[in-house]
Amino acid sequence: EVQLVESGGGLVQPGGSLRLSCAASGFTFSSYEMNWVRQAPGKGLEWVSYISSSGSTIYYADSVKGRFTISRDNAKNSLYLQMNSLRAEDTAVYYCARDDSSGYQMTDYWGQGTLVTVSS
Amino acid sequence: VIWMTQSPSLLSASTGDRVTISCRMSQGISSYLAWYQQKPGKAPELLIYAASTLQSGVPSRFSGSGSGTDFTLTISCLQSEDFATYYCQQYYSFPRTFGQGTKVEIK
Repeated sequence: EVQLVESGGGLVQPGGSLRLSCAASGFTFSSYEMNWVRQAPGKGLEWVSYISSSGSTIYYADSVKGRFTISRDNAKNSLYLQMNSLRAEDTAVYYCARDDSSGYQMTDYWGQGTLVTVSS
Repeated sequence: VIWMTQSPSLLSASTGDRVTISCRMSQGISSYLAWYQQKPGKAPELLIYAASTLQSGVPSRFSGSGSGTDFTLTISCLQSEDFATYYCQQYYSFPRTFGQGTKVEIK
């Protein structure tokens, strides 16, 4: 069974930093491309970042470029999101999400999310 | 950036109704479109990918159609468990983008 479990969320002051983690199990993590997607309270979904299976290709949404860094450790079956210079508008549930590896490339599994609250 | 217009934002319907949700792209994306269902407090779940392919385990009352710029999600006979919010997402290019969401509520 595919499992994605996020952790590391919490309350942080504006300008602060936070590192999210996503522990993957039930599949060969090193073979899959991964994403972070967020959802502000009461709002829609917003794609945040993508990383290829090897980590060699990375993309970011303009809203987080230069502040957030995605990374992965295939030996630990883990995905990370380092978030710096946090703003109130970064407040959201952050989901770790896996891309299909059969060629279709859609996002097929999501974790349950971790809440990040940026507030003084 | 590929912009997406999803409509309607709110859909009031009754159990047994046939409902249709539309997603329009600002440029062509071939069939690189997925539909997700999200219930309150839960993560989204994949319903349809490649515009019209049903994800394993998803009931056949869900169907998708379209290619290029215009796409549709249809629920043929609405069940109580289908009252939720639905999102389209293009994965043709980065940044990936989502539609604004359609909340399907009980009439």
